[in-house]
Amino acid sequence: DTEVTQTPKHLVMGMTNKKSLKCEQHMGHRAMYWYKQKAKKPPELMFVYSYEKLSINESVPSRFSPECPNSSLLNLHLHALQPEDSALYLCASSQETLGTGELFFGEGSRLTVL
Amino acid sequence: DQQVKQNSPSLSVQEGRISILNCDYTNSMFDYFLWYKKYPAEGPTFLISISSIKDKNEDGRFTVFLNKSAKHLSLHIVPSQPGDSAVYFCAASGETSGSRLTFGEGTQLTVNP
Repeated sequence: DTEVTQTPKHLVMGMTNKKSLKCEQHMGHRAMYWYKQKAKKPPELMFVYSYEKLSINESVPSRFSPECPNSSLLNLHLHALQPEDSALYLCASSQETLGTGELFFGEGSRLTVL
Repeated sequence: DQQVKQNSPSLSVQEGRISILNCDYTNSMFDYFLWYKKYPAEGPTFLISISSIKDKNEDGRFTVFLNKSAKHLSLHIVPSQPGDSAVYFCAASGETSGSRLTFGEGTQLTVNP
């Protein structure tokens, strides 16, 4: 099993809602990532978890709150988002967090904030 | 500051011909380079990579060339197939950047039958 699975695939939420994006991998990878991608733009790194600990936060606003309950799961909790937060949110994993080594991406969760 | 640049937003080639996608970088600390392919409504998938100690890496129809002095890499696809039509992202990382992959803006490749 070499998949990274993300749920939900699509999410529409109002600015006062609280929702969560979920990501799961069963490849035994020890690093997991959240990326944000806007249309016709490259993926932008948001957070990195290494061995279930947050190792990188790329100055992401606090309305995005990551959580890594165990080595296979990664959540992104969303609260009080803005319409400009609408984007494709990609989860990825890798064996380690060193600079080399490929990332395995999920299909993404398409978020629309009304 | 765009450290990884793909100057061609789109490229169109005929089936069977060679596709050449280009990528330039500015950060001399990058020492590992990757190409990802992305279909609509899917996440990027890893295609091929190259370490800075090499100047060429080949995998089937895909070859990546690295010119360190020019800070330039290219992806060659030969022969091109219609199923290769996708957005191709160049990405770079280095020991000092840890797990940060810096992506280029992508090139939309269209292979016409």
